[in-house]
Amino acid sequence: DTGVSQNPRHKITKRGQNVTFRCDPISEHNRLYWYRQTLGQGPEFLTYFQNEAQLEKSRLLSDRFSAERPKGSFSTLEIQRTEQGDSAMYLCASRDRENTGELFFGEGSRLTVL
Amino acid sequence: AQTVTQSQPEMSVQEAETVTLSCTYDTSESDYYLFWYKQPPSRQMILVIRQEAYKQQNATENRFSVNFQKAAKSFSLKISDSQLGDAAMYFCAVNTPLVFGKGTRLSVIA
Repeated sequence: DTGVSQNPRHKITKRGQNVTFRCDPISEHNRLYWYRQTLGQGPEFLTYFQNEAQLEKSRLLSDRFSAERPKGSFSTLEIQRTEQGDSAMYLCASRDRENTGELFFGEGSRLTVL
Repeated sequence: AQTVTQSQPEMSVQEAETVTLSCTYDTSESDYYLFWYKQPPSRQMILVIRQEAYKQQNATENRFSVNFQKAAKSFSLKISDSQLGDAAMYFCAVNTPLVFGKGTRLSVIA
């Protein structure tokens, strides 16, 4: 399967703990995006990479959130000192160089903060 | 700032009938793309249809078509001959990074 892969699919943690999610994009895609989706809402943009460079960050990405894409391949999204409000589905998507704008999404990582 | 508004939280359609989902948007970009994505329960988002704003012709993909009214900033999705597998959340989105609406939950009644 050459689609976007996300791990873990589900994570339950206690408030105050740190969590990390991993995204493996489609191999030839140079752009990678992170979104957050809460119940009943559409996905909200968090951040985006072109190769290893983080080019844009949303104001939603507080200083407890950090994302990396060290070698321009997979990416990690870390949330430090989790809060109950961080409970959501974290979606990763990738796209190629063609300027069509279509994003290919992974199945998401669901975070529950107790 | 870009915004996308989907005014129909829920819609239902009889199998084999036609349904139209509404979307309005706002963007300051002069050239942009518009998308409809489908999110089945507990499954990943997939692209349904895409429209390039500079093209006047409405996009069509099999049973799915759009009515793109650029001046009105309207981008509705028409699903013809609805099937049970069409039941899902449908999200309208504009540009890249994509800005999404809140979605419309479509139910298909057998």
